[in-house]
Formats: sequence, C-alpha cells, structure tokens
Amino acid sequence: KNQVEQSPQSLIILEGKNCTLQCNYTVSPFSNLRWYKQDTGRGPVSLTIMTFSENTKSNGRYTATLDADTKQSSLHITASQLSDSASYICVVRANNLFFGTGTRLTVIP
Amino acid sequence: GAVVSQHPSWVICKSGTSVKIECRSLDFQATTMFWYRQFPKQSLMLMATSNEGSKATYEQGVEKDKFLINHASLTLSTLTVTSAHPEDSSFYICSGIFSGIFKEQFFGPGTRLTVL
Repeated sequence: KNQVEQSPQSLIILEGKNCTLQCNYTVSPFSNLRWYKQDTGRGPVSLTIMTFSENTKSNGRYTATLDADTKQSSLHITASQLSDSASYICVVRANNLFFGTGTRLTVIP
Repeated sequence: GAVVSQHPSWVICKSGTSVKIECRSLDFQATTMFWYRQFPKQSLMLMATSNEGSKATYEQGVEKDKFLINHASLTLSTLTVTSAHPEDSSFYICSGIFSGIFKEQFFGPGTRLTVL
C-alpha cells in the first residue's frame, strides 16, 4: 500500500533552535519527493524537490535529505524563526501524488 | 515559481446554495489541474483531476454531480459546489501542473468555504 508517514505530528521549539522533521514512505515506483510548507489558511508552497539520485538539497535555512534505500527523508530547519510556524508536508510522486499528514511546527519566542 | 490564484479566498453561504470557485494559472498553461479538499488538521485529499477540454476524473467517494468541475481553458478551472451543506465546509485548494522536467505542481492559496 502506498503510504507517506510523517513524524512528529506536531512540534514546538524555541526561536533560534534547529529541528528535524521526518518522512517515511512506501510509495512505488518512486519518482520524486517534495517538501511543502503550508501556512494556516493558505495553499502549500514548495520548499525542495528531490529525485532518486539526490541525497541532500538545501534551500536557505531548509535542508532536505533523501535515503532512497530506506525510503526516508528528513527536513532540517536551521535557526528557526517565528515565521517558520506552519505545517510541513512531505509529498511523494509515483504515478500519482501521495501526501503525508504533515508536521505542525510552532516556533515560540 | 509559477503562480496559481483562486477566487474567492473565502466564502460563506447558506445551506442549499451553490458556490463557484475559480482557479487560474497566471503565468503558465496547465493542461491538468487538480482539486483538493482539506479538513482541519488533516492533509490534502484529492477530489478530482481535470484535463483541459475533457471531463474531470473524480476520486472514489466524491460525488461528481455535487462537485462540478469545468476546465474550460489552459489557465482556468472552476469547481462548483452545488446545493452546499454544512458538511461541505472545508478548505478547497486547486493546483496545476507546470510541464517542466519535474512536472512541478503549484498550489493555489485555497478557498475557505463555510456553509451555514
């Protein structure tokens, strides 16, 4: 069964701290994996997209990793800011898109 | 990146009325557009896939007579919620596929529908 699972479900961190979000998937055939940021009441915005051959990709303070062998991906956020508070969604593309349930991140001052 | 817009951004209506939501791809042609529904604290759920000029393909459990989708052009798709009921209250998000190498999918900002 094609599934995308994310952990933790929610996370609260202090401003300035780092955090790592996890995504495990069982989707096949794997095409690519994307991380999206979704602010409350807004549509998802793409942060990174990773293909099978890519292990790490950075976008500013966001760094995504992909281990295609273990079918795991992580999103690392460095020096968090209040504006990072949002839901982060892992989406895996096979023949269709498979969405994770997201991690709700709250950054507090 | 490419931009997808939705209108309206929020709408409140009485039970039994119909509501139309527009989705436009502003700087690219989207031969395929998707409509999603998202309930609070849940992930996006695909409702239907629409290809320009042809009938939409609905996901299992989605009533095609209730959620009318029209993909009239390469830049416009509309979702009409007919005879809306309170249980239709949700966040509706459209997206279009940009025909690049990754077939990047860009999401609209969403439309909050509240049915009283």
